[in-house]
Amino acid sequence: AQSVTQLGSHVSVSEGALVLLRCNYSSSVPPYLFWYVQYPNQGLQLLLKYTSAATLVKGINGFEAEFKKSETSFHLTKPSAHMSDAAEYFCAVRGESNTGKLIFGQGTTLQVKP
Amino acid sequence: DTGVSQNPRHKITKRGQNVTFRCDPISEHNRLYWYRQTLGQGPEFLTYFQNEAQLEKSRLLSDRFSAERPKGSFSTLEIQRTEQGDSAMYLCASSPPPRTSGSYEQFFGPGTRLTVL
Repeated sequence: AQSVTQLGSHVSVSEGALVLLRCNYSSSVPPYLFWYVQYPNQGLQLLLKYTSAATLVKGINGFEAEFKKSETSFHLTKPSAHMSDAAEYFCAVRGESNTGKLIFGQGTTLQVKP
Repeated sequence: DTGVSQNPRHKITKRGQNVTFRCDPISEHNRLYWYRQTLGQGPEFLTYFQNEAQLEKSRLLSDRFSAERPKGSFSTLEIQRTEQGDSAMYLCASSPPPRTSGSYEQFFGPGTRLTVL
């Protein structure tokens, strides 16, 4: 069965510091991987996606993620955190059925300190 | 592009009552998904429609839950005899056909927050 594990339910960084949010996945088929961001009382917004093309994926708002098959990882990074980056971040893998459903990790709350 | 819309945004009900939520997907998106998100957790898949056909249901979807998508446009999710454990955010997402989005990218609505007293 597929699964996603996000290491660290809470991550705190200072404004301007590197952001690193960890995601490991389990999949028996070549994965499609996603990072979504959720602001309070809002739906999910896609940050970036991996679809078996380039292993380094660039997304919106300066975020990027690197797919590492050997480590089954898809960690999200941003060189310099902004206060506006404070939100909850979810990593997801596309399910094995052909419906395209997503299987999400439990989420990581990013706090940005001034 | 109006995005995915959901109504109502908030619903407070008493235990035992029935509730219905509506989702309007992005036009021309033939794929529609419902997810449930409880506090501090990631969304969990509930059900999937391709056009008007409901093709997959999660084990989370008990007999008290029913979803429809008449004519392959908007969708409704009904919960009968609500329980306190049903309190959650219900998210709807839509996706275009794979030939235009081979990655199965999903676009989410703002969600309906249900509180069962």
